[in-house]
Amino acid sequence: GAVVSQHPSWVICKSGTSVKIECRSLDFQATTMFWYRQFPKQSLMLMATSNEGSKATYEQGVEKDKFLINHASLTLSTLTVTSAHPEDSSFYICSARRLAGEGGGETQYFGPGTRLLVL
Amino acid sequence: AQTVTQSQPEMSVQEAETVTLSCTYDTSESDYYLFWYKQPPSRQMILVIRQEAYKQQNATENRFSVNFQKAAKSFSLKISDSQLGDAAMYFCAYRTSTSGSRLTFGEGTQLTVNP
Repeated sequence: GAVVSQHPSWVICKSGTSVKIECRSLDFQATTMFWYRQFPKQSLMLMATSNEGSKATYEQGVEKDKFLINHASLTLSTLTVTSAHPEDSSFYICSARRLAGEGGGETQYFGPGTRLLVL
Repeated sequence: AQTVTQSQPEMSVQEAETVTLSCTYDTSESDYYLFWYKQPPSRQMILVIRQEAYKQQNATENRFSVNFQKAAKSFSLKISDSQLGDAAMYFCAYRTSTSGSRLTFGEGTQLTVNP
């Protein structure tokens, strides 16, 4: 099956610092990746759609200057939380879109998530 | 607006028994796809099963099957012969062909499997 990795899996940082999270599709190319945020016992909230070679599309209410997304290659997207504050503490999940023709239809495969704690 | 509703925040089942998780959705589109994802305590999202709206036959994957009722906009998941490893949060999700691959998720159903 398709594999998507995220790094780091856990990060603790001080308030005011920036944190970069990487999302990689390991065995397929992904022109589109997605970034989600999930609070405990809640559903996934889509933050933005990351498109290779172009600007990300942010969902309403998500600050694009706060959450910087770069999709520099067909296998890597990064999310940078700039000037992180305690309210940014959350579980961040990425997914990569695998297109039809590479295993039976378009499907999103998810990374294992990154737990961010801002002190 | 497109919405996905899971009316059961929590469900429980005895090991080896069968359980059905409910999901309804609302859309005006005719071409769409439905998914069930599983999120165990590790929090890794795992695709359980998918259904294309144009297919009348219900999808099955081993012990997992769906009951897709297009007119009623219902997409329930049946887990047969439940195992302890099935314990997880289950999310129903929906995507249209015009949504740019964006998934809309339900609120989730926490499934407990009792030994």
